[in-house]
Amino acid sequence: GAGVSQTPSNKVTEKGKYVELRCDPISGHTALYWYRQSLGQGPEFLIYFQGTGAADDSGLPNDRFFAVRPEGSVSTLKIQRTERGDSAVYLCASSSDRRETQYFGPGTRLLVL
Amino acid sequence: AQSVSQHNHHVILSEAASLELGCNYSYGGTVNLFWYVQYPGQHLQLLLKYFSGDPLVKGIKGFEAEFIKSKFSFNLRKPSVQWSDTAEYFCAVVNNDMRFGAGTRLTVKP
Repeated sequence: GAGVSQTPSNKVTEKGKYVELRCDPISGHTALYWYRQSLGQGPEFLIYFQGTGAADDSGLPNDRFFAVRPEGSVSTLKIQRTERGDSAVYLCASSSDRRETQYFGPGTRLLVL
Repeated sequence: AQSVSQHNHHVILSEAASLELGCNYSYGGTVNLFWYVQYPGQHLQLLLKYFSGDPLVKGIKGFEAEFIKSKFSFNLRKPSVQWSDTAEYFCAVVNNDMRFGAGTRLTVKP
């Protein structure tokens, strides 16, 4: 069966530019999560969606980061005015319920020059 | 602050050696516990999980973990590692959100 997919797999951009990262969760999973993983670190929670709504966005580092999930399936993470410090792997995961097993996508490797 | 700690940053073992990776958490209340593995060039995969019941849980590829509530620990074990176990291992805890430890890199020498 299809797992979580993420596009693009790699994104190189220049400082100050806007980027969008897409996540397509497992069909039927109502919970969707975004994480950021820097080199040598574990995934860092950014935001959690239950259906279409952002149930917990406490992990977003600042107001340059925003995510949407308008139809309760695909989600887009949006980063405005990118900074070099935003360079990381952005991971998406989905699950059937908040406390259940999360299934991860392959990630998008973002490099801000 | 709530946190997940993995004590070993990098572990190097020879094939057939026994493995134990430590994980401690500081959350109170009911938690669900997970170990994920990330093989080189691959995405995070679930190794095993604990929700309730028998505190000794068995996962894929011969791994097991023991939940010790009094110690807030969920250590991962494998009696005999293989070269193919070379990977990064992450402990994760769900209270309201999932929080990950920093990971332990395991290198198994053939």
